[in-house]
Amino acid sequence: NAGVTQTPKFQVLKTGQSMTLQCAQDMNHNSMYWYRQDPGMGLRLIYYSASEGTTDKGEVPNGYNVSRLNKREFSLRLESAAPSQTSVYFCASRRWQGHNEQYFGPGTRLTVT
Amino acid sequence: GENVEQHPSTLSVQEGDSAVIKCTYSDSASNYFPWYKQELGKGPQLIIDIRSNVGEKKDQRIAVTLNKTAKHFSLHITETQPEDSAVYFCAPILTGGGNKLTFGTGTQLKVEL
Repeated sequence: NAGVTQTPKFQVLKTGQSMTLQCAQDMNHNSMYWYRQDPGMGLRLIYYSASEGTTDKGEVPNGYNVSRLNKREFSLRLESAAPSQTSVYFCASRRWQGHNEQYFGPGTRLTVT
Repeated sequence: GENVEQHPSTLSVQEGDSAVIKCTYSDSASNYFPWYKQELGKGPQLIIDIRSNVGEKKDQRIAVTLNKTAKHFSLHITETQPEDSAVYFCAPILTGGGNKLTFGTGTQLKVEL
C-alpha cells in the first residue's frame, strides 16, 4: 500500500493564480482531511470529509475549496492564491469516525509570491 | 473548541538522556490522547496513544501518562537516540464527537551526540 499520496511535492505560484492540490489514499478509509502547517502554529484543519459525498469546514477554510471526488481522492483548490497561503499542506485520512488514528501524506510545500 | 498547549517548544538532550513533553488541554470531555512524531520533510505519524480509562501506557522506550483531573498528558522518551530528533505533536480529542483534531503547536526535540 502506498498509504496517502500527495501531488505536487513543491509548487510556486504568483499572487492571483489558481491551483489544485491532489490527495489520494489506498487504505479504503472513509474520512479525509486537509491541514496547513505554519511555523510555530502546529497543524490547522482547513476542510474535512467525514465520508464520500460530504465536506465540512475546519478552522481555516477561507480562500480554499475542496472536492471529495470519490472514496479515494480529496482535492484542495486555491482559486486566487495569496502570500498568506504560503505553507506546507498535509492531507490525512482516517478509517472511520470512530477510529482515531490519522494517516498523513508527505505534504506539499507551496510558496505564493 | 479545544485549547491545546505544549511545553516546552524546543528541547535539547544528550543521547541516552530522557525527554519529557507535556500537553495541556481545556476540554474535560476529551477521552483520547495521542502523540504524533513528525520527521523532517514528512507528515506526522502516530507513535503512542492513551485512552481516558488508563493512566499510563508504555511501548519500549516511549510512554504516555495522563492526568485527567489536571487536564494534561505527557510523552516520555527514555534512552534517547539521534533518530528521536523530530517534532512531536499532541492532539487530544473526544472520540465520536466529530472529526476536528486540534493539534498542539509542537515540540522540537533535538538529541545531541
